Parts: sequence; C-alpha cells; structure tokens
Amino acid sequence: DAKTTQPTSMDCAEGRAANLPCNHSTISGNEYVYWYRQIHSQGPQYIIHGLKNNETNEMASLIITEDRKSSTLILPHATLRDTAVYYCIEIIQGAQKLVFGQGTRLTINP
Amino acid sequence: DTAVSQTPKYLVTQMGNDKSIKCEQNLGHDTMYWYKQDSKKFLKIMFSYNNKELIINETVPNRFSPKSPDKAHLNLHINSLELGDSAVYFCASSQSLVVGTEAFFGQGTRLTVV
Repeated sequence: DAKTTQPTSMDCAEGRAANLPCNHSTISGNEYVYWYRQIHSQGPQYIIHGLKNNETNEMASLIITEDRKSSTLILPHATLRDTAVYYCIEIIQGAQKLVFGQGTRLTINP
Repeated sequence: DTAVSQTPKYLVTQMGNDKSIKCEQNLGHDTMYWYKQDSKKFLKIMFSYNNKELIINETVPNRFSPKSPDKAHLNLHINSLELGDSAVYFCASSQSLVVGTEAFFGQGTRLTVV
C-alpha cells in the first residue's frame, strides 16, 4: 500500500503557481520522494524526485521540509495541459517497483 | 519515436478468450514492467522483468503469463479472460531494477471483456 497522503483534488487558475502537498510522515532516511503525473488517457510521466534537498527541473520544483515528513510539488506557471492526477510516491533506495496511491486530481481552470 | 509502445491501444473481447498485448521499448533499458489500472484508477504493478528474467510477480493469477523474448520486449498473454480483467494495462521500462531511476510508461491498452 502507498504510504503517502495527498488531497483528493485541487483547483488552480491558469498562469498561477500550483502547489501540491504530500505527507509522508513515516518516511525513512533512505527513502526518496518521487512525483509522477498521469494526464487523462495517458501513461504516468515522471516529474521530479528528491531525498533531502529541494530540487528544480524544467517541469517543476520540489520542496521537502527539514524533517522530511512532507513535501510540496510546485508547478510555477500552470497551464491547461497540467491538468492531471499527480502522484507522490516514497521509494526506498534500491526498490524495484513504484507503489501508487490515489494521487491528487489537479484541475487547471482558464 | 515512441519510447515505450504498446499494441493494441484498445481491445474488446469476449469472456473465455485468450488475448495478448505487446510492448516494446527503444530506450535500451534493462527492466520492463506491467501495471494494471482498474476502474477505480488505482495503478498496481503486476510483473517486472530484468534482462528477460522475471523479478516481480505480484500474486497475479496464472492466467496472466508475461513473456520477454528479448530485453526490449515484454508481452502479456492472458488466458480465459474474465469480466474482472477489464482494465487499462500499462507497460513501462526503466534503466535498471532500481526504480530510483525514471520509469517510462506506454500509452496503455484498454481491455474490455464482455
């Protein structure tokens, strides 16, 4: 079973920053936080991952709290194409599979 | 070029039939997976293969038999299809067994058993 907790759904206005929270209160020291998203009728797509430090790439930023018990995925300028289900996943180093939870359904409104 | 491609995209078939879904990846990855997404949208791993060797079998019924002729292909054969097999099946690949690396997913095969 997935060990992370995410809100079921969120809305965000187009052009604004979308901030998606994730709780992983039982995360251990060698577990990474990964984010994937699934746009309607497509396969999941990798976004970003981190261990302790904040991370940024061309798609998003990942902010991890100092105690590592929660994180926030930030889409800085959301577009309509960012409407998707976003999954926050804990992965232990060396793990061999992704365990998906229910994710957050993010809707970007014009 | 599509990194992970599955065929067919849609499959409608009757109960009791046998069907196959094909998957190919052109990324040179060593590891391939099959995931199932049911009507409630939960994604669960079914199998993983590493260099043609079965690594994970998540208590999937014996009616499901993956076959990996080479490390670029992982096909899924399903015997005696049941209504409950209706779902979207996703193939994926990653560079190695360590899922810390990025996994690439195909577009999915929507299987409907009637």
